Amino acid sequence: DGGITQSPKYLFRKEGQNVTLSCEQNLNHDAMYWYRQDPGQGLRLIYYSQIVNDFQKGDIAEGYSVSREKKESFPLTVTSAQKNPTAFYLCASSIRLWDEQYFGPGTRLTVT
Amino acid sequence: AQSVTQPDIHITVSEGASLELRCNYSYGATPYLFWYVQSPGQGLQLLLKYFSGDTLVQGIKGFEAEFKRSQSSFNLRKPSVHWSDAAEYFCAVGSLNAGNNRKLIWGLGTSLAVNP
Repeated sequence: DGGITQSPKYLFRKEGQNVTLSCEQNLNHDAMYWYRQDPGQGLRLIYYSQIVNDFQKGDIAEGYSVSREKKESFPLTVTSAQKNPTAFYLCASSIRLWDEQYFGPGTRLTVT
Repeated sequence: AQSVTQPDIHITVSEGASLELRCNYSYGATPYLFWYVQSPGQGLQLLLKYFSGDTLVQGIKGFEAEFKRSQSSFNLRKPSVHWSDAAEYFCAVGSLNAGNNRKLIWGLGTSLAVNP
């Protein structure tokens, strides 16, 4: 079955620690995205990647970093510089940039 | 500025009743539009999309939406709601003309509750 996997579903970290969220897709999509979702704020774009070895900042990139070394993988690191990291994180992919997006199940990160 | 508005933050309907969720956009170029649904704690699932052609589009789960350029709207409808339709619904708008500078603009969502 083709799709997007995000792991883990729940993640707990102490303040000051970096944490990496996994996103893998086997849809052969070129573009991938990371969104953050907070109650009442919809989806906010963190980073996106059009092709391998290329990525761009979205609207709220501060405190986050990404890599795109393989077409299938687009991990997101939440650094200690992110002031309010507790949120629900969604990864998505599309055949081409800004086309119809397919979403993973999300990772809920809690930082205390 | 480009924007997408979902005027209703929360809607409650009775099971079996009809449903209309509103989406209005402000976009300078030719838009393409999506409706997504999200169950609690889950990812988003595409319900339907409009790129061109027939302005009434059919989607999954019995949903349809109508693109009205004159009203800058893309409202989602379902003739008879089921309890399993309770979820968050998101409208998103992109541009066909803006090249790689385009992005998808997302609405803030409408939360749908269904009374038995």
